Amino acid sequence: EAQVTQNPRYLITVTGKKLTVTCSQNMNHEYMSWYRQDPGLGLRQIYYSMNVEVTDKGDVPEGYKVSRKEKRNFPLILESPSPNQTSLYFCASSLSRGGDTQYFGPGTRLTVL
Amino acid sequence: GENVEQHPSTLSVQEGDSAVIKCTYSDSASNYFPWYKQELGKGPQLIIDIRSNVGEKKDQRIAVTLNKTAKHFSLHITETQPEDSAVYFCAATPPEGNQFYFGTGTSLTVIP
Repeated sequence: EAQVTQNPRYLITVTGKKLTVTCSQNMNHEYMSWYRQDPGLGLRQIYYSMNVEVTDKGDVPEGYKVSRKEKRNFPLILESPSPNQTSLYFCASSLSRGGDTQYFGPGTRLTVL
Repeated sequence: GENVEQHPSTLSVQEGDSAVIKCTYSDSASNYFPWYKQELGKGPQLIIDIRSNVGEKKDQRIAVTLNKTAKHFSLHITETQPEDSAVYFCAATPPEGNQFYFGTGTSLTVIP
């Protein structure tokens, strides 16, 4: 089944404790992206990757890191989480750059205390 | 960068009525406009999209219209059903195709 998977689905952590949210797709997509969803703000792009070893900042990259060492994986790293990073996070992938259908993962709800 | 505004933020309609959600964008170079539906507890899913060389596109009960001059596009859902209840997001993508800019979402409730 073609899908984007994210782990964990739910995470409660404390300020400053490094964490990684994994994202994996099985569709051989080149383009992958991370979004955060907050009430009243919609979906905002954090980082995106056009291909392996190619990543770039979206609209709200502060406090986040990403890497793309393999085509299928695109982890999101919070090196020192803060309460303002409490949000619902989505990973997405598409065949190539924008203009193709994006497939979203099920989401990761992160709470930073 | 691009700025996408979406209205209304909430919309309630009676089953069988039509629903219309409107979005405006700021970058006249944007050329791809998808609409996503997000059901409770799930990730967004593409329901329809339109490119800048087309004025209207229809898929069964769903249609999207694009007015490039006015820089706005709209989602039309006819004969609404309870399963249409969800949050809907519009988005715009510039020609480079590397970034997506989403609207703030519309929570649609279809009342049986």
